[in-house]
Amino acid sequence: EDQVTQSPEALRLQEGESSSLNCSYTVSGLRGLFWYRQDPGKGPEFLFTLYSAGEEKEKERLKATLTKKESFLHITAPKPEDSATYLCAALASGTYKYIFGTGTRLKVLA
Amino acid sequence: SAVISQKPSRDICQRGTSLTIQCQVDSQVTMMFWYRQQPGQSLTLIATANQGSEATYESGFVIDKFPISRPNLTFSTLTVSNMSPEDSSIYLCSVGLSKGQEQYFGPGTRLTVT
Repeated sequence: EDQVTQSPEALRLQEGESSSLNCSYTVSGLRGLFWYRQDPGKGPEFLFTLYSAGEEKEKERLKATLTKKESFLHITAPKPEDSATYLCAALASGTYKYIFGTGTRLKVLA
Repeated sequence: SAVISQKPSRDICQRGTSLTIQCQVDSQVTMMFWYRQQPGQSLTLIATANQGSEATYESGFVIDKFPISRPNLTFSTLTVSNMSPEDSSIYLCSVGLSKGQEQYFGPGTRLTVT
């Protein structure tokens, strides 16, 4: 069964304290791995798409990487405005349906 | 990308009533989806809204409870029928500009059923 698992469920960081969020996936023929940011009361905001192992994408303080079993979202020197829930989703071959993980709630303290 | 709006943004409804949620996109899109996000949970796909044909529902969701319309390539509605408190959730529409590509989400409709 296709599955996506995110860890940790919640993470508290001091401002400037770098860390990584994990997204493990078991998907038949990965077509894409997607990262989203969701602020309270809002819809998910698209961040990155990764298609193949070894691929990396960067945006400001965020960098997403992909291996054959998992993806990481690295946050470098985070700021309080980076506080949000980060969701990953996988897309398997032969389908257009995302499989979402349960998310990591990130809180960055000033 | 695409700009997506939803109406209403939130509502409080009594059990047994129905609510229709609208989703408007600023450009023509192939794929439109409806999701539910229960408190503290991730997103669950309800159905894919197909233009010109019946929606495709996921396991556990039925047309009588969640009728969907998609009259054109920029607009869709989701109705939550005969509501109960268990239907209290955030309902999100999303669009995919082409199969296999990233989806863009609307701001969501927060529904509370009393």
